[in-house]
Amino acid sequence: EDKVVQSPLSLVVHEGDTVTLNCSYEVTNFRSLLWYKQEKKAPTFLFMLTSSGIEKKSGRLSSILDKKELSSILNITATQTGDSAIYLCAVKRGADGLTFGKGTHLIIQP
Amino acid sequence: NAGVTQTPKFQVLKTGQSMTLQCAQDMNHEYMSWYRQDPGMGLRLIHYSVGAGITDQGEVPNGYNVSRSTTEDFPLRLLSAAPSQTSVYFCASRGLLEKLFFGSGTQLSVL
Repeated sequence: EDKVVQSPLSLVVHEGDTVTLNCSYEVTNFRSLLWYKQEKKAPTFLFMLTSSGIEKKSGRLSSILDKKELSSILNITATQTGDSAIYLCAVKRGADGLTFGKGTHLIIQP
Repeated sequence: NAGVTQTPKFQVLKTGQSMTLQCAQDMNHEYMSWYRQDPGMGLRLIHYSVGAGITDQGEVPNGYNVSRSTTEDFPLRLLSAAPSQTSVYFCASRGLLEKLFFGSGTQLSVL
């Protein structure tokens, strides 16, 4: 059975801290790994990773995939209260939809 | 710039009632899907479609029907609502890349 496991499930840090969110997966026919941010309602796309070792960056957020370890990390530096959200990791295989992890609930305290 | 539009935003049903959640996208995406999101369970795939006239089951299809008569629309039908179907439902579509575009969600309560 395909599995996507995120850790930690919740995290509380202070503004300005750096956080690292983890995602590990066990899926057949892996094609890509995606990160989403969910604030109030609909998840919004952050990154898509297909190749091992290539970092994707967007401002203070970055992510990298390790296909050997079947995992990915999402880093957020100099966190702000606006980064508070649920961060979802999802893996794409074949023609099917995405398999999502349960998410990491990140709270940034002022 | 509509993207993926879901209606209604909120719905309360009694056990045994049926209803249809509507989903429409204006991006000419072939792929459309329905997810449900429950606390502590993440997003789970209900049904998906890779084009008009083609649908397939996801991880949790029981109690739901879908059809895809046009590229734009992908309605989700609850045949006989049960309290276990209380959830937040998201419709999503995808173009050539793997990136999913989500609708704003429907919060459904079944009493």
